[in-house]
Amino acid sequence: GENVEQHPSTLSVQEGDSAVIKCTYSDSASNYFPWYKQELGKRPQLIIDIRSNVGEKKDQRIAVTLNKTAKHFSLHITETQPEDSAVYFCAASISTNAGKSTFGDGTTLTVKP
Amino acid sequence: DSGVTQTPKHLITATGQRVTLRCSPRSGDLSVYWYQQSLDQGLQFLIQYYNGEERAKGNILERFSAQQFPDLHSELNLSSLELGDSALYFCASSRNTDTQYFGPGTRLTVL
Repeated sequence: GENVEQHPSTLSVQEGDSAVIKCTYSDSASNYFPWYKQELGKRPQLIIDIRSNVGEKKDQRIAVTLNKTAKHFSLHITETQPEDSAVYFCAASISTNAGKSTFGDGTTLTVKP
Repeated sequence: DSGVTQTPKHLITATGQRVTLRCSPRSGDLSVYWYQQSLDQGLQFLIQYYNGEERAKGNILERFSAQQFPDLHSELNLSSLELGDSALYFCASSRNTDTQYFGPGTRLTVL
């Protein structure tokens, strides 16, 4: 089955700096890669996603890049703010009717003011 | 608000007991997923249902079972509860495939 590894497990940055979280996946058939943000005690919420026919996607301060050959994808957050502090999860899935996602173990991001 | 609802929000029970967690997916979503999240842990996939049928199984214990009903709501049954079953249980739903929308979770405490 699919295996997703996420690094780093914790990340601390100064407000205004950039943060990068990386994930690798094992199943070359995976073609959908969402990122979720989970604030303490709350539900995971989708913040951005990318499909395998696209190499990069941006949404304001957030971007995701995908390298299908190397089987890795990354989340980039620019101009970080304290409210970006949360746990971020990556996931990989095969976009079929049996769309089971495999999640990474999460990265705890702390943005220091 | 994702449109996915879960009840109850909190559940406190004793070891050995049985509980049922309920999830209503977003309107039109056919897939329901269940996850367990223990303290400071990641999301452990338990089981997925698609339009009433079990579609994928993760690390779900034999003491746990789930089903999806004709109206597409789902229930997760946890029996012979142990202290280690204390966790946040999330339900998520998706329309066909990929993007999952999570409910607010049920916090289970086993004393």
